[in-house]
Amino acid sequence: AQKVTQAQTEISVVEKEDVTLDCVYETRDTTYYLFWYKQPPSGELVFLIRRNSFDEQNEISGRYSWNFQKSTSSFNFTITASQVVDSAVYFCALRNSGNTPLVFGKGTRLSVIA
Amino acid sequence: DSGVTQTPKHLITATGQRVTLRCSPRSGDLSVYWYQQSLDQGLQFLIQYYNGEERAKGNILERFSAQQFPDLHSELNLSSLELGDSALYFCASSTSMTATNEKLFFGSGTQLSVL
Repeated sequence: AQKVTQAQTEISVVEKEDVTLDCVYETRDTTYYLFWYKQPPSGELVFLIRRNSFDEQNEISGRYSWNFQKSTSSFNFTITASQVVDSAVYFCALRNSGNTPLVFGKGTRLSVIA
Repeated sequence: DSGVTQTPKHLITATGQRVTLRCSPRSGDLSVYWYQQSLDQGLQFLIQYYNGEERAKGNILERFSAQQFPDLHSELNLSSLELGDSALYFCASSTSMTATNEKLFFGSGTQLSVL
């Protein structure tokens, strides 16, 4: 069974603060993929990053960074120097190997206040 | 723009009615997925089609059905609608059938309101 938990329902920060969105996953598979998607107020889900279970290297893309730790089954997402445009709902998702669906967490609503 | 087109953007209907949601995948994508997003359940996978064939089924109610046509567009049919069916319905597409690492491209969704 697959499960993704995003314990933070809502987070509010002031612009330029750093913020970390937590994601904890459960799976019995040894091969799986983790994703983060962003859902801005417009509603469309936008892909941010994909990470496979064999690659624990952290990744940085501009102000975004991701910390994947298999030991704690976590795939956390940090936004550095947050901006108002970062305000959105962020979803962490997991997909096992084989023809299994992409399973989403319930999302974290991030509000960045100017 | 993801390249996935969903129509209509908004749909308001009454309980007991039937509606059809339409999705056109990205050019070249053969897989279409349907998801339902509600406040209490979050994003729930409903069903997947690949090149016209049903490939995977999730928490889809018997009152709901879908199909994918030869031109690869897909339709999600919701019948005997209940208040609880009010949600945002997303369509997503990808190139392959089972590539686990493949990212999905999502449409902007259809907001269904059942009154």
